[in-house]
Parts: sequence; C-alpha cells; structure tokens
Amino acid sequence: GAGVSQSPSNKVTEKGKDVELRCDPISGHTALYWYRQSLGQGLEFLIYFQGNSAPDKSGLPSDRFSAERTGGSVSTLTIQRTQQEDSAVYLCASSLTTGAHGYTFGSGTRLTVV
Amino acid sequence: EDQVTQSPEALRLQEGESSSLNCSYTVSGLRGLFWYRQDPGKGPEFLFTLYSAGEEKEKERLKATLTKKESFLHITAPKPEDSATYLCAVDSTGTASKLTFGTGTRLQVTL
Repeated sequence: GAGVSQSPSNKVTEKGKDVELRCDPISGHTALYWYRQSLGQGLEFLIYFQGNSAPDKSGLPSDRFSAERTGGSVSTLTIQRTQQEDSAVYLCASSLTTGAHGYTFGSGTRLTVV
Repeated sequence: EDQVTQSPEALRLQEGESSSLNCSYTVSGLRGLFWYRQDPGKGPEFLFTLYSAGEEKEKERLKATLTKKESFLHITAPKPEDSATYLCAVDSTGTASKLTFGTGTRLQVTL
C-alpha cells in the first residue's frame, strides 16, 4: 500500500479483556516496529521484526504483550488481560532496511482500557 | 543507556517569528539523529536524518543542524501550518536499530 495502515484506529476495551492490534506495512519494507506513546511520554519501543530473523522483543513491558508477523508482512500486537496502564496510542512503523534510516509510521491505534 | 532530551516542552510563536528547538542526546555511538513532525491524531512524519557533526539539512522553512552533543531545528518565518509536535530520535550502535525518542516540543504558531 501507499502507507502504513493500522486498525482499528480506536479501541475501547474492558479491563481484563484481550485485544489485537493490526499493522499492514508498506509493501517491500522488511523492517517493522511497534512503539507505544503515552500522554506526556516519548515513544517507547516495544518490538522489532526484520525479515525472517527472530524478533527483538526487548521492549515488551510484560508477558501479557506479544506480537507476530506473518509472511514477512502484516503484524499483530496482542495484549492479554488488559490493564488501565496499557491505555496509550500504539504506533507501527516500517522501513526498507535497518540502520540509520527514517521509519514510516502509521496513524496508530488509540487504546483505552476502562 | 541512550537519552534524548528536548527543549522547550512547548513554544508559542507569532507568524514570521523565527526560533529554534533543541535536542540534546547521549548515546554510545551515533548512527543517525532523526527529526519527525507529529500532528494531533497522526503518526510521526519523517523530516530529516543527520549522520555526523557539522551536517545540515533544509526543507522549506526548516533547517536541522547537528553537533556531537545536540541538534537544533531552526524554524524561519513560521506559518500557522507549522504548528505541530516536533520529535527528535537517535539510532545508536548500542540499540540495534531501535530509535530512542525525546518527548517532543509542541509548537504553536499564531497569526
């Protein structure tokens, strides 16, 4: 596609429920990243996929968070047993390669846990 | 651990009033410094990458510069459409392609 597509754009869920956030990167981009942006905070790295390599999960805040990338394209971020502190904007980005190159971000999914 | 600090947190300018935004950074080894613009409800939009001290890049009314400790985003004769949050991020040899972001500067340009 022309840009990075994320869905849903907004999600309200009850505490304790599981949620799935989807990211469709730019075609041909081998690197895919998930970041979280909380009010007043900088973007926080969550997870990074590069081609067929094992993902870098070092930013995931707890074992309730997981992500997969199928066929080197679409990625899904899953949050199990959501907590109120999970409320944030979840941003996905992709890039052609790794290293010092600019990412292209999607518009994000705003998650609210009530 | 890489650190990025942006100042000021917020800046209000009148149209035509030039100013600069600051991004101070501490990294193990800089591979690139990035500037992004973020509008409300949108993801960050890439502006510039700077790779080494002394490098400068320009785009319309924006000019980014880099030293060994900080970067400046100079805004010349801003217009209301330049209102946005400007984010700085670093890619370092210590973080394997993960960008470390600052908290941003919220810029408002009024008529």
